[in-house]
Amino acid sequence: AQSVAQPEDQVNVAEGNPLTVKCTYSVSGNPYLFWYVQYPNRGLQFLLKYITGDNLVKGSYGFEAEFNKSQTSFHLKKPSALVSDSALYFCAVRDWAGKSTFGDGTTLTVKP
Amino acid sequence: KAGVTQTPRYLIKTRGQQVTLSCSPISGHRSVSWYQQTPGQGLQFLFEYFSETQRNKGNFPGRFSGRQFSNSRSEMNVSTLELGDSALYLCASSLVGQQNTEAFFGQGTRLTVV
Repeated sequence: AQSVAQPEDQVNVAEGNPLTVKCTYSVSGNPYLFWYVQYPNRGLQFLLKYITGDNLVKGSYGFEAEFNKSQTSFHLKKPSALVSDSALYFCAVRDWAGKSTFGDGTTLTVKP
Repeated sequence: KAGVTQTPRYLIKTRGQQVTLSCSPISGHRSVSWYQQTPGQGLQFLFEYFSETQRNKGNFPGRFSGRQFSNSRSEMNVSTLELGDSALYLCASSLVGQQNTEAFFGQGTRLTVV
């Protein structure tokens, strides 16, 4: 069975500093990996995805993620955090049948 | 292009009642998935429908059911409500349910069972 782990419940960074939100996965076959962001009282919004190709994927709002097959990781990164980036972030893996499994989420807090 | 629409946004029900939630996907999207989000359990997959057929199912009791109509709109039903069913229920649609396509989420229905 596929699984996703987000080892940190919370990540705190200062505005302007780089941020990393970690994600590791387990899936049979080729991984299809996604990052979503959720703001309070809203649904999830798509940020970026890895399907194939370059290991560094660029997405919305200046976010990027690095796919590492040997470490089965797909960490979300941003070079310079903004206060408005504060939200709940979910990593997800999708299998060949289209079923998605989400991590438990990581709350990112960016302080001014 | 309209997004995924979920109705109602908020709902309060009494234990033992049943409830029906509605989801209208983005036009052209034929895959609709449902998720339950709670503070303790995170985001849990309920089921996915594609072309009016349930294609995937999560580990939820039979009290949770759903269906999809020919226009791709989907409903989710929960019977004999329990206090633990209080949650944010999210619907997501995607193009033809391919594994490389991202999902588009609605704002959710906040269900409170009292």
